[in-house]
Formats: sequence, C-alpha cells, structure tokens
Amino acid sequence: GDSVTQMEGPVTLSEEAFLTINCTYTATGYPSLFWYVQYPGEGLQLLLKATKADDKGSNKGFEATYRKETTSFHLEKGSVQVSDSAVYFCALRKRAAGNKLTFGGGTRVLVKP
Amino acid sequence: GAVVSQHPSRVICKSGTSVKIECRSLDFQATTMFWYRQFPKQSLMLMATSNEGSKATYEQGVEKDKFLINHASLTLSTLTVTSAHPEDSSFYICSAREDRADSPLHFGNGTRLTVT
Repeated sequence: GDSVTQMEGPVTLSEEAFLTINCTYTATGYPSLFWYVQYPGEGLQLLLKATKADDKGSNKGFEATYRKETTSFHLEKGSVQVSDSAVYFCALRKRAAGNKLTFGGGTRVLVKP
Repeated sequence: GAVVSQHPSRVICKSGTSVKIECRSLDFQATTMFWYRQFPKQSLMLMATSNEGSKATYEQGVEKDKFLINHASLTLSTLTVTSAHPEDSSFYICSAREDRADSPLHFGNGTRLTVT
C-alpha cells in the first residue's frame, strides 16, 4: 500500500540555521503531497502542498518540490526561527483512496536561540 | 479561512465511562470528516472516515463498537469512546474537507483524552 517515510528526529538547530527534512513516498498513481506542522498541544496545520510533479509548494519561508523521479518531497527552510519548533508531517493523498491522508512518522524540530 | 472546531480540548474520565468528542466545521459544509488518533511522539493513525447521513468507514483494527461515530449534519461529526479504558488515553484529532474538488483538509486542535 501507500506509505510515507520521513527522517526521524529530533532535529536540533540553532536559530538562522538551514533546515532540511527528508520525505520519500511509495504510491501508485499520482498523489498530491503535503507538509503539515503541529505546534505543541495543537492539531495539524497545512504548511504547503504540491499536486503534480515538479510543483514547488512554499509558505512562511518553507519550500518543498515534488520530485516524481526520486519520489521525494523534502522540506527546506533557509533560516529557521525559534517559533519554527514543532513537529512536521509529510503526507500524501490520492483521490482513488477516498482522499484519505497517509502520514509519515513526523519529525520533531527544536530550534534553539 | 476555513476552521474546524474540536471540543473538548482536554477530558479526563474514569474507566468504564463514555466520552463524546465533537468536531464542527464552522464556515463550510463537510460531507466527509476523518478521525485520527495520535500516540505520544508518533504519527497520526486514521481511525475512520465519517460520512454525513451514512455509516462511518472504519480502518482495519479499529473497533466499531468502541469508537462510535455519528455524522448527523454537514457540519458536525462526533466520536464517542465507549467504556473507556486507560489504553484509550490518547490525542484524538478530527479533520474535515470542504465539499469541493481538490479542497485541503482542515484539522481541529485535537482532544487529549486521559482515562484514569
């Protein structure tokens, strides 16, 4: 079945450092890809998405490019802030699967001042 | 923007009692809502898909009689944890999708259930 694999955390960074969180997927067909962020004690918020190959999603300084050839959707941010400390989830969704989201395991990011 | 309200945010109950969690779409209609469970430091596990006006679709391994889902209107789905036990303690999150093509999923803020 479909699956999403993302790097395990926690990832600890200093403020203004470069962040990369790797995400790869296994799926048939043409899924849409998402990054969600979960702040402590809260639900998930959509961070960015891409719906087809070579699309780049971006929001709040974060970017991810849908790479079909490598089945990847790595999340990057050039200069992180303490407020970026959260858990980040990579996910895929297919219409054929009833639009259900399949999540990766989540990566906890801690940014220190 | 679209908002999903989940209530309560925290609940503590005794073993054997039942707890109801509500999920409301505040400014859009949602024929379909999803219920997830999240264990500490783990990913979200889809429990069931809630369909307005019909029976919920449960994922494999999720007990239908224990986790009762009712989706009585286009803006409200409820999850009732029946005869709760300590192992049901978890973070439950609902999500809803607007009834239009390629609409994103909107998540509630989750409910922390603690069964003592």
